[in-house]
Amino acid sequence: GDSVTQMEGPVTLSEEAFLTINCTYTATGYPSLFWYVQYPGEGLQLLLKATKADDKGSNKGFEATYRKETTSFHLEKGSVQVSDSAVYFCAPTGGATNKLIFGTGTLLAVQP
Amino acid sequence: DVKVTQSSRYLVKRTGEKVFLECVQDMDHENMFWYRQDPGLGLRLIYFSYDVKMKEKGDIPEGYSVSREKKERFSLILESASTNQTSMYLCASSKRQDTGELFFGEGSRLTVL
Repeated sequence: GDSVTQMEGPVTLSEEAFLTINCTYTATGYPSLFWYVQYPGEGLQLLLKATKADDKGSNKGFEATYRKETTSFHLEKGSVQVSDSAVYFCAPTGGATNKLIFGTGTLLAVQP
Repeated sequence: DVKVTQSSRYLVKRTGEKVFLECVQDMDHENMFWYRQDPGLGLRLIYFSYDVKMKEKGDIPEGYSVSREKKERFSLILESASTNQTSMYLCASSKRQDTGELFFGEGSRLTVL
């Protein structure tokens, strides 16, 4: 069935470091791809999305490109801040009802 | 500011109790969802609803039921709580056509003793 695999955490970085969180998926058809973020004590919120191959989603300095050939949607940011500390979830749409399939989440901790 | 509001942030219940988790959204969304979030497992879909009085099972519906009597309100019911239902429960909503763009509540952390 459809599934998603994302990088295990925690990922610990110093402020201003480069961030990559890997995400790969298996899906039939052409899923839309999403990254959600969960800040401490809060619910999830949409960070960015891409709906077709080669689309780049971006928001708050984060970017991810829909790579159909490698079935990947890796999250990147050039210079992380302490305020980026959160759990990040990769989520393609999939399955019979085209709902989101969430990854296990990657905890990012940014140290000053 | 648009919102999804979950009635309780923290609950402690005893095994066998009936538990109600309430969720209200003010965005006039057609779709509503209940997930549970557990460490190492991510989010798993329990039930969802595309319309009033309509419900569909998600991936882990066993031990749960739902109610959607009004468009803005979606309730999750644990008929007889068990310790393995200790978890964080997240409610979400979306427009009918946007099954990927969800708006989440802050979550309800349930502990079953």
